[in-house]
Amino acid sequence: GQQVMQIPQYQHVQEGEDFTTYCNSSTTLSNIQWYKQRPGGHPVFLIQLVKSGEVKKQKRLTFQFGEAKKNSSLHITATQTTDVGTYFCAGTFGNEKLTFGTGTRLTIIP
Amino acid sequence: DTAVSQTPKYLVTQMGNDKSIKCEQNLGHDTMYWYKQDSKKFLKIMFSYNNKELIINETVPNRFSPKSPDKAHLNLHINSLELGDSAVYFCASSQATVAAGYRYEQYFGPGTRLTVT
Repeated sequence: GQQVMQIPQYQHVQEGEDFTTYCNSSTTLSNIQWYKQRPGGHPVFLIQLVKSGEVKKQKRLTFQFGEAKKNSSLHITATQTTDVGTYFCAGTFGNEKLTFGTGTRLTIIP
Repeated sequence: DTAVSQTPKYLVTQMGNDKSIKCEQNLGHDTMYWYKQDSKKFLKIMFSYNNKELIINETVPNRFSPKSPDKAHLNLHINSLELGDSAVYFCASSQATVAAGYRYEQYFGPGTRLTVT
């Protein structure tokens, strides 16, 4: 089946540093969604990108969808301890089910 | 008000037992899902129901049987539990429809942590 890969699997950053996670697919995605899961919590929807080359911002978070709609990234500027958690991308291929990426677990060193 | 609720939150049981997890959503969504999240945090879809009809059935052992009595409820029954079934099970819902596809955000329940000993 279709797969969505995410890198890195783990990332440890000092508080105040930037963080980026990347999502890649070998086939074109219809859309990409991003979710955040706090430790012990459940995935929470952050944003959806639909258009080729789309860029969206939410405060310190910047989301991009690649021109070929095969990759996406989430960048956090000046991380804070509240950013701790696992970030998942999730994409759809045509009208098929949402396929979740492997996740990037972010740890912040105070 | 909780949008998607699951019971129980924790479930500890022995191998060979049968157990059920219940899920309810009050968002008026037509589609509900069951996901399994293993210890490495991989989220894998198991089943999806649209308006009480099974539409996604991934390669899941037939010991797992979902049931949707109405579109607001989706339960998961597991027979003959095995050690490898230990995981967190998440229920989710969305506005997705078969015609429109799955391009809608999903709302997850708090999860049920199943431990099989």
